[in-house]
Amino acid sequence: AQTVTQSQPEMSVQEAETVTLSCTYDTSESDYYLFWYKQPPSRQMILVIRQEAYKQQNATENRFSVNFQKAAKSFSLKISDSQLGDAAMYFCAYRSPGKLIFGQGTELSVKP
Amino acid sequence: DTAVSQTPKYLVTQMGNDKSIKCEQNLGHDTMYWYKQDSKKFLKIMFSYNNKELIINETVPNRFSPKSPDKAHLNLHINSLELGDSAVYFCASSQDGGFAEAFFGQGTRLTVV
Repeated sequence: AQTVTQSQPEMSVQEAETVTLSCTYDTSESDYYLFWYKQPPSRQMILVIRQEAYKQQNATENRFSVNFQKAAKSFSLKISDSQLGDAAMYFCAYRSPGKLIFGQGTELSVKP
Repeated sequence: DTAVSQTPKYLVTQMGNDKSIKCEQNLGHDTMYWYKQDSKKFLKIMFSYNNKELIINETVPNRFSPKSPDKAHLNLHINSLELGDSAVYFCASSQDGGFAEAFFGQGTRLTVV
């Protein structure tokens, strides 16, 4: 069975600085996608970024980028120029047919 | 227009009651899900439907029964509510059950007293 692990329950970053959230996963499948979702205090789950496992190039969305290491089964999220609005719970997720499995989440706080 | 909408957003009820949470998506997606988010924020899948057919039924008490009248709706009915059912329940949908991202509703916070 697939598992997703986020080993940092909480992280903190100074406004305008950069922070990296860690995620590792375990799978024997070769085709899958990985996602990072953001859950602000409003509870809404918002897709931040996606990575297709067959792509070697790391995905980037504005200030958000990933470091995808397929062999190491690692999928970290880097947030550059952190903003107060980035404060939220961040979930790493593994996606394959019939499965969308989430990690435990990392609560990110941003200090002004 | 909200893509995935759940009603109600908040639900407070007594132990032993029966309640339903409704979910509708207007994205034309084929697959819908119910997730439970516990007090530690852990998200666990409960059910997955594809075109009104049950695909995934994780280890969930049979007091929980999903119903999908059409592929745009997936309702969750809970019988004989218990204190431990208190959680946030999320409905989600995806284009298919393959690799497509899931779009989530705003969640329903259920409190059993």
